[in-house]
Amino acid sequence: EIVLTQSPGTLSLSPGERATLSCRASQSVFSRYLGWYQQIPGQAPRLLIYGASTRATDIPDRFNGSGSGTDFTLTISRLEPEDFAVYYCQQYGSSPSFGQGTKLEIK
Amino acid sequence: QVQLQQWGAGLLKPSETLSLTCAASGGSFRNYYWSWIRQSPGKGLEWLGDINHSGVTTYNPSLQSRITISIDVSKNHFSLQLTSVTAADTALYFCARVSHPESWYFDLWGRGTLVTVSS
Repeated sequence: EIVLTQSPGTLSLSPGERATLSCRASQSVFSRYLGWYQQIPGQAPRLLIYGASTRATDIPDRFNGSGSGTDFTLTISRLEPEDFAVYYCQQYGSSPSFGQGTKLEIK
Repeated sequence: QVQLQQWGAGLLKPSETLSLTCAASGGSFRNYYWSWIRQSPGKGLEWLGDINHSGVTTYNPSLQSRITISIDVSKNHFSLQLTSVTAADTALYFCARVSHPESWYFDLWGRGTLVTVSS
């Protein structure tokens, strides 16, 4: 089983700032199996990034994914008020799994 | 626009069987895999299993003995059954569509069904 560890657990930033979220895998993950999701309280997760770096449909270009192997990063270049949410990385290997999430909160 | 609508019993007693169904409206049903995922405060997001249009399933090993996912292609439905539930199965259950084959990811989610197991 591949364990995904996200850091930090909570990130406190202000609108307009840059956010960098990390996802580390316990073993190497094929980039095409790595995704990022945003979850607003009371809603289902929403796909942001797939294949480690491809934005999903209608996702603004301030969201960028990068990384390979065991280290992946989600960067939000200029935070908008609607970006404050919980973010999850996820791998779709033989047994899909999710990270525990990073909560992005307003400072 | 494709949507996933899910339904099923929300309150169960220990040892009962959880049963949920998810319907996909619009779009191609055959070109995707279909999955169940749950979310609880204690375990976060947990993938339960998936199924394709031919009925080929893959399950989370931790649930292998209790889980069944089935599909009805004629109705664009797929279903989850989880037997012998306990309080640990209390969670928000989501159905999701799996896009593949170049990349694999959950590109569409249902709104979730809260299932509570309590005596």
